[in-house]
Amino acid sequence: DVKVTQSSRYLVKRTGEKVFLECVQDMDHENMFWYRQDPGLGLRLIYFSYDVKMKEKGDIPEGYSVSREKKERFSLILESASTNQTSMYLCASSGWDRGYGYTFGSGTRLTVV
Amino acid sequence: GQQLNQSPQSMFIQEGEDVSMNCTSSSIFNTWLWYKQDPGEGPVLLIALYKAGELTSNGRLTAQFGITRKDSFLNISASIPSDVGIYFCAGILTGANSKLTFGKGITLSVRP
Repeated sequence: DVKVTQSSRYLVKRTGEKVFLECVQDMDHENMFWYRQDPGLGLRLIYFSYDVKMKEKGDIPEGYSVSREKKERFSLILESASTNQTSMYLCASSGWDRGYGYTFGSGTRLTVV
Repeated sequence: GQQLNQSPQSMFIQEGEDVSMNCTSSSIFNTWLWYKQDPGEGPVLLIALYKAGELTSNGRLTAQFGITRKDSFLNISASIPSDVGIYFCAGILTGANSKLTFGKGITLSVRP
């Protein structure tokens, strides 16, 4: 079965820490995305990438950066974690094989204390 | 960014009932998709629609791509307790480079 794997299901970090969220897909998809999900706000796009070493800002990129050194891996970086970045983070990938519908990972619930 | 319109935010139904959810937009979409998210998990694709007027079923689920290309609906028949979760609609705009636009989701509760 095709997969998008997020490295951690739950993370607790301290304010000011640098946080890495990792996402790996095994479908050879060109496109990868990072979202955060908060109650009442739906899914909000942070960053996305259409190719290796390419990245584009989504709707809420402030406080985040990303890295895509290999096609299968897309990392989200919180440069200096803050409590308002406590959230559920979802990674997704898409490609022509699935009509560009997203395949999501299981999510990482990040708590910043 | 633009979002699709899904309402209400929550729905409560009795087990065995049918339920219908609507998703609307002021823009034209090329593709409509419906996702379900179980608590603590990532969304999973239920149905994808690629042509205006298309009606597609997946078990007890039926979805339609609106003729105007500005709306879609999802129907769940004979609901069961495991239907609980958040249902998201999503679409791909013309020229959007395959980036999805999402609705805020509807949380469905099913009373046994």
